[in-house]
Amino acid sequence: AQKVTQAQTEISVVEKEDVTLDCVYETRDTTYYLFWYKQPPSGELVFLIRRNSFDEQNEISGRYSWNFQKSTSSFNFTITASQVVDSAVYFCALRGSNYKLTFGKGTLLTVNP
Amino acid sequence: DAMVIQNPRYQVTQFGKPVTLSCSQTLNHNVMYWYQQKSSQAPKLLFHYYDKDFNNEADTPDNFQSRRPNTSFCFLDIRSPGLGDAAMYLCATSRDGGTPYNEQFFGPGTRLTVL
Repeated sequence: AQKVTQAQTEISVVEKEDVTLDCVYETRDTTYYLFWYKQPPSGELVFLIRRNSFDEQNEISGRYSWNFQKSTSSFNFTITASQVVDSAVYFCALRGSNYKLTFGKGTLLTVNP
Repeated sequence: DAMVIQNPRYQVTQFGKPVTLSCSQTLNHNVMYWYQQKSSQAPKLLFHYYDKDFNNEADTPDNFQSRRPNTSFCFLDIRSPGLGDAAMYLCATSRDGGTPYNEQFFGPGTRLTVL
């Protein structure tokens, strides 16, 4: 069985602070894919990143960075210099050998001006 | 821009009155998915089409049906909506050629209210 745990239900920061969203996963598959999605108040899930299990390189995209560590089964997401527009629910998700995307429960990030 | 479109964005129906939600895509993706998302919860997969092949999740109620008349369109039919079916319904697509499935692109969702 696959499982994704996002222990942080809600996080509140002040604009320009850095914030890290945690994601821990469980799977028995040796090949799997990890994803992060952003869901702003409008409701649409926006794809942010995909990593496969064989690629542990960290990735940076502008103010966003991701830290994938197989040893701890974690795929954490950091936003540097947060902005009000970053306020949203962020979902971490896992897909193993089958088609099904297993989502975490999401972390509500509020960035205050 | 290529995208996933859902209509309507908001739908109000009465208890027991059939309702159809629609999804279209200009991405030419071969896989289409329907998710149900209730307040403060993660999306829950109802079913998906891989090309023309329909794949139902084991715990999806019979009250939910789907149709995919062509590559671009997919419909979600709720035959007799109950109060518990009030939720956001998300359509998603992906391009896949066997395993593994690639990232899914989501539409803006239809928020269903059942009175």
